[in-house]
Amino acid sequence: AQKITQTQPGMFVQEKEAVTLDCTYDTSDPSYGLFWYKQPSSGEMIFLIYQGSYDQQNATEGRYSLNFQKARKSANLVISASQLGDSAMYFCAMTIGSSNTGKLIFGQGTTLQVKP
Amino acid sequence: GAVVSQHPSWVICKSGTSVKIECRSLDFQATTMFWYRQFPKQSLMLMATSNEGSKATYEQGVEKDKFLINHASLTLSTLTVTSAHPEDSSFYICSAFTAGGNTEAFFGQGTRLTVV
Repeated sequence: AQKITQTQPGMFVQEKEAVTLDCTYDTSDPSYGLFWYKQPSSGEMIFLIYQGSYDQQNATEGRYSLNFQKARKSANLVISASQLGDSAMYFCAMTIGSSNTGKLIFGQGTTLQVKP
Repeated sequence: GAVVSQHPSWVICKSGTSVKIECRSLDFQATTMFWYRQFPKQSLMLMATSNEGSKATYEQGVEKDKFLINHASLTLSTLTVTSAHPEDSSFYICSAFTAGGNTEAFFGQGTRLTVV
């Protein structure tokens, strides 16, 4: 079965500290892509970071980094130096197959609250 | 990133009426558009995949006669909720994707539908 699991319904972090949001995935296809999206209360989905299954290096985008552990099938998002504006819902998602179709399987999401 | 415009951002309609939601890719041609549904504090669930010029592919459990999808051009897909009922009240969000283009799909702003 193809599935994304986010086991943290809610997380708190102090402003300026780092936080890790967990994501595990399940697929038997050797080719896949892993994504993280941020969804503020307004509802739009903001793309944060992408990791391909064959990428050797962990992806980084500014304050976001993806801790990709292939053997453990985990793709945790690390946000460094948290800001108040980081408070939102975060979704881990996956595409399957060597040809990226844009079709995403989403996890349940984690609500992050940044405390001042 | 590319811009996807979804309209309206919110709509209130009476039970039994139909509502049309538009999803437009403004600065690129989308080979595929996806429609998702999201209940409060929950994940995004894929409803259907829409390819320009062909019939939409619906996910299991989604009523194709109730949720009509039309993808008339490479920049426009519409979702029509027919004979809406209160249980159809939800957040509907589209994404647009180009094969061979960017890695990620780009999302519209979403539409909050309330059926009274």
